[in-house]
Amino acid sequence: LAKTTQPISMDSYEGQEVNITCSHNNIATNDYITWYQQFPSQGPRFIIQGYKTKVTNEVASLFIPADRKSSTLSLPRVSLSDTAVYYCLVVTPSNTNAGKSTFGDGTTLTVKP
Amino acid sequence: NAGVTQTPKFQVLKTGQSMTLQCAQDMNHEYMSWYRQDPGMGLRLIHYSVGAGITDQGEVPNGYNVSRSTTEDFPLRLLSAAPSQTSVYFCASSRSGTAIYGYTFGSGTRLTVV
Repeated sequence: LAKTTQPISMDSYEGQEVNITCSHNNIATNDYITWYQQFPSQGPRFIIQGYKTKVTNEVASLFIPADRKSSTLSLPRVSLSDTAVYYCLVVTPSNTNAGKSTFGDGTTLTVKP
Repeated sequence: NAGVTQTPKFQVLKTGQSMTLQCAQDMNHEYMSWYRQDPGMGLRLIHYSVGAGITDQGEVPNGYNVSRSTTEDFPLRLLSAAPSQTSVYFCASSRSGTAIYGYTFGSGTRLTVV
């Protein structure tokens, strides 16, 4: 499955919009893109999934361009509580590839007052 | 509350000791897996299971054993603990091995081997 590349860290201020980009150049036709959020001392939490174009839920938006070689997680108007590590994970809708998706090191987002 | 339950939350072992980390889920998920997370690092897959009676190795399986006798439980056994196994261990489950609907993670077990 496609290897992902994300920035190691990002800083932002409360109230700003934050965009975290993930590169997945070798994504396959059937693959999906998922994003997770991890707070200190907690397990990761699934926040959004997409295949193409734009997906929005109560937590975030996910933008995927036509070539699908990258994706951008957008967090609107962040607060201090959005400080966390964010992981991009490419997954495939096939049980034969179970266990093949790997988490990278993620992006540490620090929101400042 | 539905979810993934891990026990214990904390554990200190001496080098050479063995122990079992417990993981249980009540969502009837087919897929379960174990990850380890070292300080400041991402998650690395240890072992996974796509259903009762079926297990397979992940990226870092050495020193660990698993079994899956029921859909609900997926224990991780450390055979002979080493300081290099000091880490936080997370259990995760999903509806199927595809994970396109997302993994649900437990709250973790923090293991220290001295």
